[in-house]
Amino acid sequence: AQKITQTQPGMFVQEKEAVTLDCTYDTSDPSYGLFWYKQPSSGEMIFLIYQGSYDQQNATEGRYSLNFQKARKSANLVISASQLGDSAMYFCAMREARRTGGFKTIFGAGTRLFVKA
Amino acid sequence: DTGVSQDPRHKITKRGQNVTFRCDPISEHNRLYWYRQTLGQGPEFLTYFQNEAQLEKSRLLSDRFSAERPKGSFSTLEIQRTEQGDSAMYLCASRKDRDSNYGYTFGSGTRLTVV
Repeated sequence: AQKITQTQPGMFVQEKEAVTLDCTYDTSDPSYGLFWYKQPSSGEMIFLIYQGSYDQQNATEGRYSLNFQKARKSANLVISASQLGDSAMYFCAMREARRTGGFKTIFGAGTRLFVKA
Repeated sequence: DTGVSQDPRHKITKRGQNVTFRCDPISEHNRLYWYRQTLGQGPEFLTYFQNEAQLEKSRLLSDRFSAERPKGSFSTLEIQRTEQGDSAMYLCASRKDRDSNYGYTFGSGTRLTVV
């Protein structure tokens, strides 16, 4: 069964420093997508970054980058130059194709990030 | 377009009552998803629609749960005979068919409390 594991329930980082949030996944499907979402205290899930299983380069979006290590089934999120507004829950997610013709995305349990001033 | 809208934002109901939630996706998004999120956990998949067709339902969706998307526009999620275990945040998300490299756009959710 497909599975997403986030081993860090909580992380602290000093403002302006970089932080890495860990994510490992398990799938037997050769074609899949990996996502990171941010969920602030307001509750709305915000899409941050995407990595396809066939992508040769690590994805980057502004201060976010995804450290994709396919052989290790790892997709860690790196946030550079942390800001106070980065304090939130972060979820790693994986999408697989379904036999019904669509896609299904499953989420990890999340990591709560605290940015200290 | 202001994004994915969910109504109501909060719902408190007595055990045994029926509740219905509504989701209005982004107008050009033909895929619509329902997720449930309990405290301290990630969202769990419930069901999804492509246009008006419900293509998959999770085993979490017992026979007390039903979802519809008439005309492929807004969607409703109904829970009959609510139980305390149904208390959770119910999230709706949508996506365009061809936007496979992008994540979902989520609504703000409906927080259900069953007392």
